[in-house]
Amino acid sequence: SQQGEEDPQALSIQEGENATMNCSYKTSINNLQWYRQNSGRGLVHLILIRSNEREKHSGRLRVTLDTSKKSSSLLITASRAADTASYFCATDAYHQAGTALIFGKGTTLSVSS
Amino acid sequence: DTGVSQDPRHKITKRGQNVTFRCDPISEHNRLYWYRQTLGQGPEFLTYFQNEAQLEKSRLLSDRFSAERPKGSFSTLEIQRTEQGDSAMYLCASESTRAYQETQYFGPGTRLLVL
Repeated sequence: SQQGEEDPQALSIQEGENATMNCSYKTSINNLQWYRQNSGRGLVHLILIRSNEREKHSGRLRVTLDTSKKSSSLLITASRAADTASYFCATDAYHQAGTALIFGKGTTLSVSS
Repeated sequence: DTGVSQDPRHKITKRGQNVTFRCDPISEHNRLYWYRQTLGQGPEFLTYFQNEAQLEKSRLLSDRFSAERPKGSFSTLEIQRTEQGDSAMYLCASESTRAYQETQYFGPGTRLLVL
């Protein structure tokens, strides 16, 4: 079953604008990760935020985590056409055996020039 | 390139045939995962290995599916008697068990089409 739910499902913006994607999850976590997937390709890891962290930055990416609301957001600033991709949040299966990641359905981002 | 490779990248087969996929993880990573991704969905966990031991299987992994990691290095995923519902992208990921290195690195995937 899917743990995370991204919102919105699809987002279209112009180059230079900021893109914000949200993720909600259901159970307790150790950490939350964001991945990017270009069409028909594998997933690329973007950033990991631990349950005791509230915000993290990496280049043009800013991730927040609110464990009380079981939600996270990914902000991409000054977007570029190359940012066009699907973005997934993934949580570790804290209460299940192993450390499998549970993914949401993703947000499809389209950045036009 | 994440350092995880998968072969083949694409596979077309007829219903009822057997297929086998291979994953080569990052060499020092002792955890290896298989996921399946269908169109418009996120990846779903199938199974994972720590070294050569298969420690967890999802209920998605029917008895037609089998995975091995014989020497704790590369892994194979076999699907017997393929069905059209098996059409999907099969993704492999590897991970180190070192502390604070929980990131899973994904391969490019094998796209399976069952006719």
